[in-house]
Amino acid sequence: SQELEQSPQSLIVQEGKNLTINCTSSKTLYGLYWYKQKYGEGLIFLMMLQKGGEEKSHEKITAKLDEKKQQSSLHITASQPSHAGIYLCGADGAGGTSYGKLTFGQGTILTVHP
Amino acid sequence: KAGVTQTPRYLIKTRGQQVTLSCSPISGHRSVSWYQQTPGQGLQFLFEYFSETQRNKGNFPGRFSGRQFSNSRSEMNVSTLELGDSALYLCASSTGPSGLSYEQYFGPGTRLTVT
Repeated sequence: SQELEQSPQSLIVQEGKNLTINCTSSKTLYGLYWYKQKYGEGLIFLMMLQKGGEEKSHEKITAKLDEKKQQSSLHITASQPSHAGIYLCGADGAGGTSYGKLTFGQGTILTVHP
Repeated sequence: KAGVTQTPRYLIKTRGQQVTLSCSPISGHRSVSWYQQTPGQGLQFLFEYFSETQRNKGNFPGRFSGRQFSNSRSEMNVSTLELGDSALYLCASSTGPSGLSYEQYFGPGTRLTVT
């Protein structure tokens, strides 16, 4: 079965600093999702990457997919306290037969100090 | 468009009881997936429904079941509750007519506590 490993597990940064969160898969990635979660709440969709080399940006958050390395990175530029939360990567490891099933990493807890 | 809604948001049940959780997907979305989130196991896939048919199922005991109605709303049921069933239950919806990757949008979750 597919496993996703996120690094680091937790991150504390000062407001204004840049940061990167990585997600590495044990198997081929057919689709890679990034979500943000506030503790005890639902997941907020950030981005979905499907093609090797694909890069997407939304406001100050950029995600890239390196298909060959079976990994994705999430980069936040000039972090703000509103960026604080748990970042989760999810992967579709079965392509055309995934039928809604995503495997998730354990999450990265981000704290941003003002 | 309204997002994914889940009811109830919080629930306290006693061991041995059963519970039904409800999920209304985003309008136009026909695929609904359910996940269980616990501190120890993280997010785990329960099952997925599309056009009232279960297309995929995770590794959970038969006490966990679900269904989908013709309007795409979905319910999941847990019978004979155990303490270990305490978790945040999340549903997600997508347009996904095929198994290919589609954007999945999650609801706020139902926090179930079993005492």
